[in-house]
Amino acid sequence: QVQLVQSGAEVKKPGASIRVSCKPSGYIFTNFGISWVRQAPGQGLEWVGWISGYSGNTKYAVNVQGRVTLTTDTSTNTAYMELRNLRSDDSGVYYCTRLRGDAFDIWGQGTLVTVSS
Amino acid sequence: DIQMTQSPSSLSASVGDRVTITCRASQDIINYLNWYQQKPGKAPELLISAASSLQSGVPSRFSGSGSGTDFTLTITDLQPQDFATYYCQQGYSSPQSFGPGTKVDVK
Repeated sequence: QVQLVQSGAEVKKPGASIRVSCKPSGYIFTNFGISWVRQAPGQGLEWVGWISGYSGNTKYAVNVQGRVTLTTDTSTNTAYMELRNLRSDDSGVYYCTRLRGDAFDIWGQGTLVTVSS
Repeated sequence: DIQMTQSPSSLSASVGDRVTITCRASQDIINYLNWYQQKPGKAPELLISAASSLQSGVPSRFSGSGSGTDFTLTITDLQPQDFATYYCQQGYSSPQSFGPGTKVDVK
C-alpha cells in the first residue's frame, strides 16, 4: 500500500523553526519527487516546494524561498521540510505529496503547524 | 506564474443532481490540469489527471474535459459522499498552482 506518513503537530513561537518529516512506503523512494503543499485555516492549497527523490534537486515557492529547505535522507527514505523564522501566517496544515508526472497522486495525512506567541 | 480561477466559488446541490465546476488558466496549459476532492479535516485526493483521465477507484460519475485554458469537472448523479471542496491544479509549469476551490454543499 502506497502511503506517506508525516510527523505530528507542532506549536511554535514566531521566529522559531520547524522540521516536518514525511516517510513514504510502498514504492521506490528515488523514483518520484515529493512536493509540499500547505493550507492556511479555512483557505485553499498553496504549493511550497518540491524535491527530487533521485537527485535531491529542489524548487521553492517565491514567498517562502530563503526560509524553507527541503531535504531527503535516502538511507531512511524520509523527506523533510524545514521552515525557519516562522510567522503567524505560516500557521496551517502542511502536506507532503508524491508527484507523479505533474499530478499529486498520494498525500500524507497532514501536519498542523501553529505559530503563536 | 500561471493563475488559476474557478467558478463558482460555492454551490448548493441535491443528491442526484448534475454539478459542473469550471476552471480557467491564465495561459495555455494544454491538458496539464488535475482535479482534487477535499473533505473537511482530510488531505486532498486526486480525482482526474491530464484534464480527463479518471484515477483508479474514482467513480465514473466524475468526468473532466477541456484543453488550453478552459476546463470542466462534472459530477453526474451527485451522491452524499460527494459534498466536498474541489480544486483544480495546473501542472504545466512551476510553480504548480491551484485554483481557489469550489465548495459543493447540500441544498
